[in-house]
Amino acid sequence: NAGVTQTPKFRILKIGQSMTLQCTQDMNHNYMYWYRQDPGMGLKLIYYSVGAGITDKGEVPNGYNVSRSTTEDFPLRLELAAPSQTSVYFCASTREILNSPLHFGNGTRLTVT
Amino acid sequence: AQSVTQPDIHITVSEGASLELRCNYSYGATPYLFWYVQSPGQGLQLLLKYFSGDTLVQGIKGFEAEFKRSQSSFNLRKPSVHWSDAAEYFCAVGSLISGTYKYIFGTGTRLKVLA
Repeated sequence: NAGVTQTPKFRILKIGQSMTLQCTQDMNHNYMYWYRQDPGMGLKLIYYSVGAGITDKGEVPNGYNVSRSTTEDFPLRLELAAPSQTSVYFCASTREILNSPLHFGNGTRLTVT
Repeated sequence: AQSVTQPDIHITVSEGASLELRCNYSYGATPYLFWYVQSPGQGLQLLLKYFSGDTLVQGIKGFEAEFKRSQSSFNLRKPSVHWSDAAEYFCAVGSLISGTYKYIFGTGTRLKVLA
């Protein structure tokens, strides 16, 4: 049972480069989320999706884009990487029931230099 | 607005000692509360959750948490800490905001265990 899978695990980007962080889940969850984690700041919501074709902004969406063409996949796109985007990124999914917990991937550690 | 506060950034305990990690929340309705643990280089793993019923909930790895509505708290406890419990712990509130399920996280408490 794979759960939530994120790739890559690590990435170093130069300022201005672009990349896509991949996230896929095999639990047939409609709800998917992207968070970034910075030291001492907890998790901040970047974007979320409530189903295929439906996405919306979270707390910190600037500099990111997402798409949701299938239930399984929810990629996060960085168009022009900036040092402020150095962080650890987590993808998560859940059923659309409020007491259902989030299932997390193992994260992508991104450094922008 | 909903919020979650974990007042302790770092906690150090000796192996075998008891542990209590604090969590306070601000939420108007009945909260859905969660504790997660994050080991180094890993994602977050659910320890336990509360949404109704008995206010003392049991989780994995010997952890428990008590919901106290009067204090808006959901503190995590363990009677005897093991060295493998060293990790970062996050408290979270699940809520329905504008028709969408969202989860608000505290800033985390990093636990160090002394041998």
